[in-house]
Amino acid sequence: GQNIDQPTEMTATEGAIVQINCTYQTSGFNGLFWYQQHAGEAPTFLSYNVLDGLEEKGRFSSFLSRSKGYSYLLLKELQMKDSASYLCAVRDSNYQLIWGAGTKLIIKP
Amino acid sequence: IAGITQAPTSQILAAGRRMTLRCTQDMRHNAMYWYRQDLGLGLRLIHYSNTAGTTGKGEVPDGYSVSRANTDDFPLTLASAVPSQTSVYFCATSFTGTGELFFGEGSRLTVL
Repeated sequence: GQNIDQPTEMTATEGAIVQINCTYQTSGFNGLFWYQQHAGEAPTFLSYNVLDGLEEKGRFSSFLSRSKGYSYLLLKELQMKDSASYLCAVRDSNYQLIWGAGTKLIIKP
Repeated sequence: IAGITQAPTSQILAAGRRMTLRCTQDMRHNAMYWYRQDLGLGLRLIHYSNTAGTTGKGEVPDGYSVSRANTDDFPLTLASAVPSQTSVYFCATSFTGTGELFFGEGSRLTVL
């Protein structure tokens, strides 16, 4: 079967750095995506990785290792507005997105 | 209309009733999707359409039907609602072949 694993919840302090991990087992791989979802709102696209390595976009970075079936989202200089759920999704061999259950990130002052 | 519009925003429905969730976009994206989101589970694809006139089944299609008569509209119909269909439903769009989805604000459906 296909499976995406992420921690259910994480807590971090304002101004700090947090890393959210995602491991996957899917039938084929055509890219990994991270989305942000604030409570009661729709998901919004954050990042896309298809090759191994680190993609940096401002305070957010995303890393991929295809051989390990592993990705992480790194958030730097945390702000209170970063409190949200972070969804990991993998596009499989049929070009369909398989979604993890999401990691709820709680930022404390 | 700006982006993706879903209606209704929220609905309480008696079991056995028929219900259509509406989704309209003005982004000219060719692909459209319906997902449901339940606590503790990832987004699950119900149905999708890669282009007007075609539709396909996702992971959890039973009890749902869709149509795609034109580029902009992609309604989701529950023929006879059951309590297990209580969920938040998201419509999303993209250009075919990309994984960057744009989501509507969601429709919260409660079936009693």
